[in-house]
Amino acid sequence: KNQVEQSPQSLIILEGKNCTLQCNYTVSPFSNLRWYKQDTGRGPVSLTIMTFSENTKSNGRYTATLDADTKQSSLHITASQLSDSASYICVVSDRGSTLGRLYFGRGTQLTVWP
Amino acid sequence: GAVVSQHPSWVICKSGTSVKIECRSLDFQATTMFWYRQFPKQSLMLMATSNEGSKATYEQGVEKDKFLINHASLTLSTLTVTSAHPEDSSFYLCSALQNGGSASGGPEETQYFGPGTRLLVL
Repeated sequence: KNQVEQSPQSLIILEGKNCTLQCNYTVSPFSNLRWYKQDTGRGPVSLTIMTFSENTKSNGRYTATLDADTKQSSLHITASQLSDSASYICVVSDRGSTLGRLYFGRGTQLTVWP
Repeated sequence: GAVVSQHPSWVICKSGTSVKIECRSLDFQATTMFWYRQFPKQSLMLMATSNEGSKATYEQGVEKDKFLINHASLTLSTLTVTSAHPEDSSFYLCSALQNGGSASGGPEETQYFGPGTRLLVL
């Protein structure tokens, strides 16, 4: 069964600190893995996309890693800011039809305190 | 980046009424749009794939007669929740696939989400 599991479910950190969010998946075949940021009551916004051959990708203070062998990914946030408070969703797509299919994790709810 | 809008952003209605939600791609054409539903602290659940000029493809368990989808132009898809009931209360999201892109493949993001519509059925 194709699944995407994220941990932790929620996380509270102090402003300025770093944190790492985890994503494990069983989706097969694999096309790419994305990390989205979703603010409360808003639509998800793409942070990074990684294909099979990519191990790491950065977008400002966000750095995603991918280990396609172990089917694990992480999202590292550096020097957190209050505006980083949001849900971070890991999404894996398969290599089915031309449209493929997206499998969504439940997200990690990050709260950054001043 | 590309912009997708949804209208309304929130709606409260009485049980038994119908509610229409619009999804528009503002600066690009989208032959394909997707409709999702998200319950609190849950992941997005794909409801249906909307294709311009043809019938929508519904996911298993989604009633096509209850959730009517119309994709009449390359920039607009609508979702109508017919005879809404309290259990239909949820956060409804759409996404639009930029023409030429693939929702599942490639290194570039070509699927853009709208801001969502919160529906409360009393």
